Amino acid sequence: NAGVIQTPRHKVTGKGQEATLWCEPISGHSAVFWYRQTIVQGLEFLTYFRNQAPIDDSGMPKERFSAQMPNQSHSTLKIQSTQPQDSAVYLCASSSGGAREQYFGPGTRLTVL
Amino acid sequence: SQWGEENLQALSIQEGEDVTMNCSYKTYTTVVQWYRQKSGKGPAQLILIRSNEREKRSGRLRATLDTSSQSSSLSITGTLATDTAVYFCATDRRNSNNRIFFGDGTQLVVKP
Repeated sequence: NAGVIQTPRHKVTGKGQEATLWCEPISGHSAVFWYRQTIVQGLEFLTYFRNQAPIDDSGMPKERFSAQMPNQSHSTLKIQSTQPQDSAVYLCASSSGGAREQYFGPGTRLTVL
Repeated sequence: SQWGEENLQALSIQEGEDVTMNCSYKTYTTVVQWYRQKSGKGPAQLILIRSNEREKRSGRLRATLDTSSQSSSLSITGTLATDTAVYFCATDRRNSNNRIFFGDGTQLVVKP
């Protein structure tokens, strides 16, 4: 079991460019979560899928951010027109459902210049 | 201690000392999970304690839960330098679609 896989591990974009982050959950897990982590804001919840359906996107900025889960083996987080304040570590986690243990990936460090 | 609204707390101790970190939560929860995040890694669960349990142990770790005061603690005995990390508590909430909510975390530095 390779755990949750996130790619790329590091991404540098220029202001205004698009960034797409990928997450491959643990096989068999039904829930996928996205978080953003910065020194200032800490660990922020963004969005949550269960059985590929969006369940809670209350943490997603209303503009420029979108997430999808087209199949059970991967999810993407897309940020359009990236801004310097989007610089953060984006973490993906999966779980077998319920309020159970979440298994986190190593994160993608996004730097917007 | 950590709380949903508080800033990251920081503790610095010497290797071998015992440490206790506290967490307060705002609403009803069925479980409290404690996670550890080492530098450059994602958080990893250490221990899960259910609302009908008062204490849970795992190796050098001991978690407690007091539902009446809506608080939990994580103790580490005989700390090692490798225990240096950020420690988060996480709780679920009623009507939250089984989402868990992370506290702000406690930064623990264990000096060798």
